[in-house]
Amino acid sequence: GESVGLHLPTLSVQEGDNSIINCAYSNSASDYFIWYKQESGKGPQFIIDIRSNMDKRQGQRVTVLLNKTVKHLSLQIAATQPGDSAVYFCAESLESARQLTFGSGTQLTVLP
Amino acid sequence: DTGVSQNPRHKITKRGQNVTFRCDPISEHNRLYWYRQTLGQGPEFLTYFQNEAQLEKSRLLSDRFSAERPKGSFSTLEIQRTEQGDSAMYLCASSRDRVEQYFGPGTRLTVT
Repeated sequence: GESVGLHLPTLSVQEGDNSIINCAYSNSASDYFIWYKQESGKGPQFIIDIRSNMDKRQGQRVTVLLNKTVKHLSLQIAATQPGDSAVYFCAESLESARQLTFGSGTQLTVLP
Repeated sequence: DTGVSQNPRHKITKRGQNVTFRCDPISEHNRLYWYRQTLGQGPEFLTYFQNEAQLEKSRLLSDRFSAERPKGSFSTLEIQRTEQGDSAMYLCASSRDRVEQYFGPGTRLTVT
């Protein structure tokens, strides 16, 4: 079946730098996308979402970009902090389907 | 704490035993979801409730798995005759009339 996947399994960045985490999706019918952060031993924590009628959405220190032409999603974290170290998942959904389909995650490590 | 809660947080059981997990969603969230997550992977959808009605079930949900949400509030997930392959983190999420889902901390199941 169709699935969501991530380009890089690990990403290391220096504290204070910006981070970019990428995600490719294959279901062109998906109309809702969401990023989650998961720390060790905890459940996924909502970061930001975007609907397919938008190209960009900004939150606090985070920006999600959606390129429907190439079916690509990215999460940008500004001024990365040690507390940002975690696994980041993108997920897609058809709003009518309700369920989320997750990718395999990217481990972000922030170096001091 | 007004977030999603799950109990127990950890469960160790012997193969062949039955286990039951509980999820208490965010108050007034009408939708409740169960996911399973294995190490290094993203969560996989199991089933979804809207109020007390179970509306979707994944093919991952074998006959040994059953979920209930009798009063449209808390939910239970039971696994009968557990197998070693059932070892995973079982996550519960809830939402209110939107796709955005909030996750609980999960129940870590180990089948020995």
